[in-house]
Amino acid sequence: DAGVIQSPRHEVTEMGQEVTLRCKPISGHNSLFWYRQTMMRGLELLIYFNNNVPIDDSGMPEDRFSAKMPNASFSTLKIQPSEPRDSAVYFCASGPGTGELFFGEGSRLTVL
Amino acid sequence: AQRVTQPEKLLSVFKGAPVELKCNYSYSGSPELFWYVQYSRQRLQLLLRHISRESIKGFTADLNKGETSFHLKKPFAQEEDSAMYYCALSDRSYIPTFGRGTSLIVHP
Repeated sequence: DAGVIQSPRHEVTEMGQEVTLRCKPISGHNSLFWYRQTMMRGLELLIYFNNNVPIDDSGMPEDRFSAKMPNASFSTLKIQPSEPRDSAVYFCASGPGTGELFFGEGSRLTVL
Repeated sequence: AQRVTQPEKLLSVFKGAPVELKCNYSYSGSPELFWYVQYSRQRLQLLLRHISRESIKGFTADLNKGETSFHLKKPFAQEEDSAMYYCALSDRSYIPTFGRGTSLIVHP
């Protein structure tokens, strides 16, 4: 298995533009997490899916952020409109239900 | 609510020196605790979990329920240990809460 796959690896965009980050979890994992990593706040949990259903989205910062998981092998995190303060590394992670998480390589977002 | 505290943002040591990265937690049930490591510009990966009681890359961590701590230790640091280390706690639903991380720098 190639592990958790995220795309794009790097995204540079201008304020106000829509950003879509993508994630392919490890096959067979029933949990999927989106995290945001910044120097100031460390790793913040944005949203958590279990069996494709959003369970906890209390970490989503504002209505500009949305996440979907249409099937077991794909999830998206969308920011519309993007702002400079959204600049961060966004990690997707999946888990087999044992507590251990398997992370993707992250998507580094820069909003100018 | 559960909480994980890593009091040190940065820990700087010389090669061969002992290392201890601190982690304290707050949780009302029986916690499951993990240490994750992130080498420069790489993905986070599991280093060890308390239930396995393993030593990985020379690192060990013991769960101390009395002190609610799960400190990560290594007797002799190596330059390749330089990385970001995150302590994490999983609740009964297996939703992990991460600490803010400690950056370990090992000087030659």
